[in-house]
Amino acid sequence: DGGITQSPKYLFRKEGQNVTLSCEQNLNHDAMYWYRQDPGQGLRLIYYSQIVNDFQKGDIAEGYSVSREKKESFPLTVTSAQKNPTAFYLCASSLTRTTDTQYFGPGTRLTVL
Amino acid sequence: AQSVTQLDSQVPVFEEAPVELRCNYSSSVSVYLFWYVQYPNQGLQLLLKYLSGSTLVESINGFEAEFNKSQTSFHLRKPSVHISDTAEYFCAVTAPGAGGTSYGKLTFGQGTILTVHP
Repeated sequence: DGGITQSPKYLFRKEGQNVTLSCEQNLNHDAMYWYRQDPGQGLRLIYYSQIVNDFQKGDIAEGYSVSREKKESFPLTVTSAQKNPTAFYLCASSLTRTTDTQYFGPGTRLTVL
Repeated sequence: AQSVTQLDSQVPVFEEAPVELRCNYSSSVSVYLFWYVQYPNQGLQLLLKYLSGSTLVESINGFEAEFNKSQTSFHLRKPSVHISDTAEYFCAVTAPGAGGTSYGKLTFGQGTILTVHP
């Protein structure tokens, strides 16, 4: 079945540690996105990528980094510079960057201890 | 830039009652509109979308939404809800015709938690 997978589902980290969240899609989509979800705030865009080896900052990129070395993979690193990293992180993809519907993965819940 | 306002953060209803989840948007250009549903601890699932054509769009599970350009609204309705409809619902907008730095950005509302009681 085609879809988007995110791993792990739950992640715990100590303050000061970097952590990488995985996102893989087999939909052959060009564009991929990372969102952060906090209660009552909807979804906010962290980074997006329109094509392999290219990515741009979204609205809340500080403290995060990404890479797009393969079309199907778009990992997100939450660095120690992110002041409030505890949140639900959602990865999405769309066929192209413009008008197409975005499809979402199941999410990773990150908790900083 | 676009913005989305979901007017109710929580909507409690009884089973088999009708429901309306309200969504208003702001944009200086034409928009595409979406409703997504999120069940607890899961990702978002597309419920329905308006791209063009008929202003009334329907989902396979009985929801419908009407695009009203003059009122800049895209309210979601269902004539009779089920317990299984309990979830959080997000309205989102994108402006495909926007120039400059536009990249098809999807802007979300804050979400409406629909709780269906027996």
